[in-house]
Amino acid sequence: DTAVSQTPKYLVTQMGNDKSIKCEQNLGHDTMYWYKQDSKKFLKIMFSYNNKELIINETVPNRFSPKSPDKAHLNLHINSLELGDSAVYFCASSRGQGAGGYTFGSGTRLTVV
Amino acid sequence: DAKTTQPTSMDCAEGRAANLPCNHSTISGNEYVYWYRQIHSQGPQYIIHGLKNNETNEMASLIITEDRKSSTLILPHATLRDTAVYYCIVTEGGSQGNLIFGKGTKLSVKP
Repeated sequence: DTAVSQTPKYLVTQMGNDKSIKCEQNLGHDTMYWYKQDSKKFLKIMFSYNNKELIINETVPNRFSPKSPDKAHLNLHINSLELGDSAVYFCASSRGQGAGGYTFGSGTRLTVV
Repeated sequence: DAKTTQPTSMDCAEGRAANLPCNHSTISGNEYVYWYRQIHSQGPQYIIHGLKNNETNEMASLIITEDRKSSTLILPHATLRDTAVYYCIVTEGGSQGNLIFGKGTKLSVKP
């Protein structure tokens, strides 16, 4: 069973489009995260949700809007996609906010053309 | 910003122990040392973490110096599948901490 699953795995889209990436975890964790890994391979946290509440919102354009319908899901919606949004996006979850033992998904490679 | 310093890259012969160092001289008393790795094109994978004492699990051992200013991750018998980028991360283990990744060490295990 996949612990943290993201869909789609690959996403190619044109500038200006709106797209969503879905994330689901079946670990019973309370906290979920979105990370962005750019072309230089730096992993940066974008958002953190604890029990459906936004905890961390790093300096991310407001075109990015996370949505958590329940604590097992954290979806990422991106409006007006730009070339610079091209990256690999990883979803993760943990038992508690900031607690160790994060489990990451396999990533979604977003390419904006 | 990452609070750790790691070598950019290291090589290790297959079957030998891989010892990956990490400096965290500004670590505070309530901060843990975590290790993750990222194999090419995969999501990061948790390896081990510790506060003061040395820790061991099925994947690796973590040796933390007495002053806690540095640590070493040990993979006792490296295999080709251990080739990855290894991240040493210092963070509070409770409600305030979150993982901030630095550049990590690219470990290449060679036949």
